[in-house]
Amino acid sequence: GQQVMQIPQYQHVQEGEDFTTYCNSSTTLSNIQWYKQRPGGHPVFLIQLVKSGEVKKQKRLTFQFGEAKKNSSLHITATQTTDVGTYFCAGSSGAGSYQLTFGKGTKLSVIP
Amino acid sequence: EAGVTQSPTHLIKTRGQQATLRCSPISGHTSVYWYQQALGLGLQFLLWYDEGEERNRGNFPPRFSGRQFPNYSSELNVNALELEDSALYLCASSLAVGETQYFGPGTRLLVL
Repeated sequence: GQQVMQIPQYQHVQEGEDFTTYCNSSTTLSNIQWYKQRPGGHPVFLIQLVKSGEVKKQKRLTFQFGEAKKNSSLHITATQTTDVGTYFCAGSSGAGSYQLTFGKGTKLSVIP
Repeated sequence: EAGVTQSPTHLIKTRGQQATLRCSPISGHTSVYWYQQALGLGLQFLLWYDEGEERNRGNFPPRFSGRQFPNYSSELNVNALELEDSALYLCASSLAVGETQYFGPGTRLLVL
């Protein structure tokens, strides 16, 4: 079955440093979604990428979808304490038995 | 617009008992998904319902079951509870297949 690997599992950064989490799928994806889960909260949708090589930005967050549509990354510039949480990628292989396969997430800690 | 709601917020059961968890999707959303988030294991896909029918299920034993009602709300039933069923159970809904999933706050199930 489809597997989505996400690294690193944990990341501790000093406030102001950059942060990147990477997502790799064992199969070609039709789209990839990114979610953020704050401590004690539930996953909140951030963005969806659909096109090969797509790059989207949300303020300090930059999302990329690989050319082969098998990998993705989320980069945060100049982290802030409000960025703390676990970031999940979730891939969909598309039609048929549609479902999202989630990576295990990257837990980000920001040291003020 | 109200988000996805889940009840109860917390549930404490003993081994061998049955648990029923409920989810109301965002108005107009027809697809409902259930996930288990156990400590350290990320989000594991459980079940997907669309238009009242089970469309797909994850790698869980048959004692995990559910249904979707005509109003698109959904129920997750877990029979013969085991200690390792202790987890946060998240429900998500989407407007249609393949669309963004919006998560509810979850039900924290503790099996003693």
